[in-house]
Amino acid sequence: KAGVTQTPRYLIKTRGQQVTLSCSPISGHRSVSWYQQTPGQGLQFLFEYFSETQRNKGNFPGRFSGRQFSNSRSEMNVSTLELGDSALYLCASSFLGAPNEKLFFGSGTQLSVL
Amino acid sequence: QQQVKQSPQSLIVQKGGISIINCAYENTAFDYFPWYQQFPGKGPALLIAIRPDVSEKKEGRFTISFNKSAKQFSLHIMDSQPGDSATYFCAAGSGGSYIPTFGRGTSLIVHP
Repeated sequence: KAGVTQTPRYLIKTRGQQVTLSCSPISGHRSVSWYQQTPGQGLQFLFEYFSETQRNKGNFPGRFSGRQFSNSRSEMNVSTLELGDSALYLCASSFLGAPNEKLFFGSGTQLSVL
Repeated sequence: QQQVKQSPQSLIVQKGGISIINCAYENTAFDYFPWYQQFPGKGPALLIAIRPDVSEKKEGRFTISFNKSAKQFSLHIMDSQPGDSATYFCAAGSGGSYIPTFGRGTSLIVHP
């Protein structure tokens, strides 16, 4: 079974641009969540989608948005990029998104904002 | 507000030694405590998890100790190996909310 796939692996953008990241969950998994990882803050939760609906949202500004498609694939968009958005963005999937389910993470997209 | 506090931020251990990482939580509704291991260039992967109805869980060289009254839990890595060098995250989850809360991570280096 293929793991969680995130594309692209690396991105370099400039301030003010927007970016779209993609995540393909493990086949059969319907919950997809996104995290921002930075050296100082660890893993910060962005949002979680289940069956195309955003079910949970973290404390990030509205510039961060996402969506999930009918095949459970998910995209995350960041508009008007800021230098502080430079981070590793991780996607995780699970079967139902139940509270005590194991999360399967992708390898992430490393975003650099210049 | 940091609901799960993890320490130390970094840890250097000699091969064969014991690595100990500690976490403390505030929310008494947490009822699931996983540890994730992350190697460079990879996403975190579940290592071991514990529920509050037990005080200890062991899987190979990895042991979670849980102290419900103190609201603390820790990861012990016995006979640490260079291959254990990674970043470790503790987390806490609640039946009332899917979203686990992660600690800030501990960078472990095991010297040969």
